[in-house]
Amino acid sequence: DAGVTQSPTHLIKTRGQQVTLRCSPKSGHDTVSWYQQALGQGPQFIFQYYEEEERQRGNFPDRFSGHQFPNYSSELNVNALLLGDSALYLCASSLGFGSNQPQHFGDGTRLSIL
Amino acid sequence: DQQVKQNSPSLSVQEGRISILNCDYTNSMFDYFLWYKKYPAEGPTFLISISSIKDKNEDGRFTVFLNKSAKHLSLHIVPSQPGDSAVYFCAASGRFGNTGFQKLVFGTGTRLLVSP
Repeated sequence: DAGVTQSPTHLIKTRGQQVTLRCSPKSGHDTVSWYQQALGQGPQFIFQYYEEEERQRGNFPDRFSGHQFPNYSSELNVNALLLGDSALYLCASSLGFGSNQPQHFGDGTRLSIL
Repeated sequence: DQQVKQNSPSLSVQEGRISILNCDYTNSMFDYFLWYKKYPAEGPTFLISISSIKDKNEDGRFTVFLNKSAKHLSLHIVPSQPGDSAVYFCAASGRFGNTGFQKLVFGTGTRLLVSP
């Protein structure tokens, strides 16, 4: 039973560039959420996708966008990268929108901005 | 505005003893609480959860207690083992607005070190 998988594991970009991170949810899960975790902090909610639509968004600028595909996999896109975007980006999947089911996390993508 | 707080950045415990990790929250709309464990270079792993209609949930060595009046929850690990050494995150979830959406809000984590 495959868990949540994310790619790539590490990425180095420069300021102003654009990046796309990818996530495949745990088998059977249909809801995908994205989080940003800065050093020494807990994960911060970016947005959640269900039925290929963004259902809710955290306090992140429009430079952060996403997509969910019919097979439930998801992408996170960040445009015009800033130094402050350096962080661990985590994808989490769960079953059922609005349900009290635990979210299961991937191992994340470590993004470094030079 | 830190709605979920873990005020102890670190905790050291001897193997075999009890580990108690604490978490406080401020928003009374939260109705579901979770604990996650995180090893370096891995994503958070779900440990145990509790609904606001309960005050205790147990799973093997792990027990979570919820005190709604104090807006406080704790995770007890008995007995503690060296393999439990990790960062533990408390998270809270609530239904905000009428969209049915549940958002997870995390604390900043507590690093647990269990020594042999």
